[in-house]
Formats: sequence, structure tokens, C-alpha cells
Amino acid sequence: GENVEQHPSTLSVQEGDSAVIKCTYSDSASNYFPWYKQELGKGPQLIIDIRSNVGEKKDQRIAVTLNKTAKHFSLHITETQPEDSAVYFCAASPLGGNMLTFGGGTRLMVKP
Amino acid sequence: DVKVTQSSRYLVKRTGEKVFLECVQDMDHENMFWYRQDPGLGLRLIYFSYDVKMKEKGDIPEGYSVSREKKERFSLILESASTNQTSMYLCASSFGGQAFFGQGTRLTVV
Repeated sequence: GENVEQHPSTLSVQEGDSAVIKCTYSDSASNYFPWYKQELGKGPQLIIDIRSNVGEKKDQRIAVTLNKTAKHFSLHITETQPEDSAVYFCAASPLGGNMLTFGGGTRLMVKP
Repeated sequence: DVKVTQSSRYLVKRTGEKVFLECVQDMDHENMFWYRQDPGLGLRLIYFSYDVKMKEKGDIPEGYSVSREKKERFSLILESASTNQTSMYLCASSFGGQAFFGQGTRLTVV
């Protein structure tokens, strides 16, 4: 089955700096890669996703890149703000599949 | 907006009790999931369901069972709660690969 590894487990940045979270996956059949943000006391919420037919996707201050050959994908947050502080999860799934395999999570702390 | 609602935010139960965690979704999704979230271990899949009365074991089904009598409702059952089942439990429904989570139930077994 799929195995997703996520690094780092914790990340502390200064407000305004960029943050990068990286994930690797093992199953070459995976072709859907969502990212979730979990704020304190809440369930994870989808913030951005990418499918294997593209290498990069942007949405305002967040972007995701995908390297299918190397089987890794990354979340980039620019101009970080205190409200970006949360736990972030990456995941992988076969397109149209029902099963998401999650990474272990990254706790991002943005210091004002 | 998709809404996934878990019946309780916080629960405290005694060892040996039978515990029911309820989850309801309002988007007519066929797929529903129960995850357990523990520090350093991420989200681990307990059970999932593709349709009414259908269920499949996830990665850590031991000590749990599920019920899906109606499409919108997916229940997680702890047959005999133990202290090692103290955790955050997350329900999700999905469509087209996108998962939508409830707010979580923090269960403490004493």
C-alpha cells in the first residue's frame, strides 16, 4: 500500500518568511495530492490540491509542487502570517480513488 | 458547503464502557471514514464505508466496529473502551478523492 512521509514534523518561522513542507510517497499509482490545514480544536480542512498532470499549482500565498519522477511534493507558503500557524497534512491517493494516505503532519508556528 | 458533524466535541468514558461516536454528513457522499489522530502518528484510518451497510477495515480496526445504516450517518463503536483508545477521533466524507472532515471528538477513557 501507499506510504507517505512528511518533513519536518515542526517548523518555526518568523512572520513574513516563507515556509516549505515536503512529502514523499511510495505508490506510483498515486496521482492526487491534497494538503490539509488543521487549526487548534478543528478538523483538517483542504487548502490546496494537485493532480499528477500538472507540476505546480498556486493559490494566493500558497503553492504546491509535484515531482512524479522523484515521488515527492511540497507545500510552499510565502509571506507567512500568524494565522498560518496550524498543523499541515499532506496526503496521496489514486485519482478517483477513495483512499487517502496521510503524512504524519507538520506543526507550523509563525512568530510575530 | 459540505458539512460533516460529529455528535460530541469531548467525551469522558470509563474503561469497559461501550462507546458510540456519531457522524453525519449532508452532501450525499457515498464514502465515509473514521480516523484516529494521535501526536506524532498523524491520521490513522480505523474503518471506512463505500455505501450503506458496507464497511471495510482500515489500518487499525482492532477494538472498534462501525455501523452505516443510512447513507448520511456513520457510527464508530468502541465495544469495550480501554485507556489506550484515548485519542482524537475524526470522521470524514469524500467525493472524487476530496475528503471533508468533522470537527473531531476528543475521547478520554479513564
